[in-house]
Amino acid sequence: EAGVAQSPRYKIIEKRQSVAFWCNPISGHATLYWYQQILGQGPKLLIQFQNNGVVDDSQLPKDRFSAERLKGVDSTLKIQPAKLEDSAVYLCASSSNNRGSNYGYTFGSGTRLTVV
Amino acid sequence: AQKVTQAQTEISVVEKEDVTLDCVYETRDTTYYLFWYKQPPSGELVFLIRRNSFDEQNEISGRYSWNFQKSTSSFNFTITASQVVDSAVYFCALRGNYGQNFVFGPGTRLSVLP
Repeated sequence: EAGVAQSPRYKIIEKRQSVAFWCNPISGHATLYWYQQILGQGPKLLIQFQNNGVVDDSQLPKDRFSAERLKGVDSTLKIQPAKLEDSAVYLCASSSNNRGSNYGYTFGSGTRLTVV
Repeated sequence: AQKVTQAQTEISVVEKEDVTLDCVYETRDTTYYLFWYKQPPSGELVFLIRRNSFDEQNEISGRYSWNFQKSTSSFNFTITASQVVDSAVYFCALRGNYGQNFVFGPGTRLSVLP
């Protein structure tokens, strides 16, 4: 079974620029999550999708972050404009139902964003 | 509110030593799930174990074992006879019963020295 695919693997941008990350979940997984992991901290949920609908985006900084999952499969997370404090690893995860599979989520390898 | 605490920021051991990583959680849910993940230097989060709140049996998998104590809200992880390949950051995480997201602890960085 293919894992959760994310791209790019690394990205360096200047502050105030825009950036987008892409995630392709495991085939058939209805639930998709974006997490932000700042260096030295645990991952923090930004947004959760169930198919193409948003379940939880309470911790998404909506003034600069946006995410979509138009066809209920791939997802894109965008930051516009980026700030220095957005430097982090952005992890995508998917699970087979809203309560998670018996063996937990599957995480992608993440996109490491550096804002300079 | 849900919270996970991992009091040990960093631990260093010498190969073949046993090491225990502590995890304490807070939740008001009566049903919940606890997880441990390993994050090696490559960055991906590797699932290790999931434990349901209604199952307090301890579990052993090879060199790994987990001690779930509901009375003290702890879910500790022990690696027996540690190896250099065990060096990573280990995260304890909590999830409620109603499709809620994970709450991760801050992680414990384990360094196993040869």
